Amino acid sequence: AQSVSQHNHHVILSEAASLELGCNYSYGGTVNLFWYVQYPGQHLQLLLKYFSGDPLVKGIKGFEAEFIKSKFSFNLRKPSVQWSDTAEYFCAVFNYGGSQGNLIFGKGTKLSVKP
Amino acid sequence: EPEVTQTPSHQVTQMGQEVILRCVPISNHLYFYWYRQILGQKVEFLVSFYNNEISEKSEIFDDQFSVERPDGSNFTLKIRSTKLEDSAMYFCASSETRALARLPYNEQFFGPGTRLTVL
Repeated sequence: AQSVSQHNHHVILSEAASLELGCNYSYGGTVNLFWYVQYPGQHLQLLLKYFSGDPLVKGIKGFEAEFIKSKFSFNLRKPSVQWSDTAEYFCAVFNYGGSQGNLIFGKGTKLSVKP
Repeated sequence: EPEVTQTPSHQVTQMGQEVILRCVPISNHLYFYWYRQILGQKVEFLVSFYNNEISEKSEIFDDQFSVERPDGSNFTLKIRSTKLEDSAMYFCASSETRALARLPYNEQFFGPGTRLTVL
């Protein structure tokens, strides 16, 4: 069965610091990978997604992620965080099992950015 | 911008009571999902639904759970007899189409969640 691991439970950074959140997945075949963000009191929103092609994926709000197949990783990065990036970040892999498929999420990483 | 809505935002219930969580998916979406997140744990898939039928369900989705699309707009999750361990945030999601093996994944749009507290 597929699984997703996010190793950082809570990350605290100062504004302008660089961010990297780790995500590892277990499945060895073709994968579709995602990062979702949940701002306090708001919906889960899609930040970026990877299907195929360029392993460096650009998302919204200056985020990017790199798919490294040999490391089973899809780490999220941002060169300079802002206070408004304070949120919880979820890595997910799409499970194509069955007729409709579903998302398998990691536990999430809470990011707190100090002004 | 269209969005998925969920009501109520917070539901408190006594153990053994029935609860119904409501979702209004995006209007042209055909595929619906429920996920849940127990505090401090992963977001977990519960069930997917299409054409008035369950497409898939996880092992969490036992006989205490049911889903329904009672009219053209609502999508509900019913827990027949709540247990303490059902306390969680429940997220509804919808997508326009299903994912096919050779096509790009079609994004699931999530609602804000309903926090269920079972006492």
